[in-house]
Amino acid sequence: EVQLVESGGGLVQPGGSLRLSCAASGFTITGNYMSWVRQAPGKGLEWVSLIYSGGNTYYSNSVKGRFTISRDDSKNTLCLQMNNLRAEDTALYYCARGAYGSSSYFDFWGQGTLVTVSS
Amino acid sequence: QLVLTQSPSASASLGASVKLTCTLSSGHSSYSIAWHQQQPEKGPRYLMKLNSDGSHSKGDGIPDRFSGSSSGAERYLTISSLQSEDEADYYCQTWGTGFVIFGGGTKLTVL
Repeated sequence: EVQLVESGGGLVQPGGSLRLSCAASGFTITGNYMSWVRQAPGKGLEWVSLIYSGGNTYYSNSVKGRFTISRDDSKNTLCLQMNNLRAEDTALYYCARGAYGSSSYFDFWGQGTLVTVSS
Repeated sequence: QLVLTQSPSASASLGASVKLTCTLSSGHSSYSIAWHQQQPEKGPRYLMKLNSDGSHSKGDGIPDRFSGSSSGAERYLTISSLQSEDEADYYCQTWGTGFVIFGGGTKLTVL
């Protein structure tokens, strides 16, 4: 059974950093592309970043230069390093699995971890 | 620019059918999309992938009440025999090399 479990969220001050993790089970993350999607309170889904099975990474314009997506293959875990956080980064962050190794739809989602950026 | 447009809200009665629409921006009518459901206080759930010719493949365990169809730049999600648990937000998603795009979502109310 495929499972995605996010962790690492919390309260951080503007300008601070946070590292999110997504522990995957039931499949090997190197075989699919993986992504982070966020949802601000009361808003819709917003794509944040993705990493293809081959290792190429991509970011939305709103986080480029501040966030870094990576994989820990030994732990079958997806990570998101978030630096220079802003109030507008406050959101529930979801981990999602791509159906294939690159460019495709999401076929599994985690339950999310909440990030709050506030002084 | 690739954009997905959804109506903010829809409503239908218990036991009835409803058809939700996701519209691809001009010049992008060949794109496939995916539909996702987000029930209150839950993470999203993948429903189906929907191609431009109307063919679709559903996720594991998705009931037959959920179906998809296409016409030009429009992608539809039809839910028949509406149940209370179908009250949720529904998002369409598309993708390309290095990006993912979501529609704004449709909040479905079951009356």
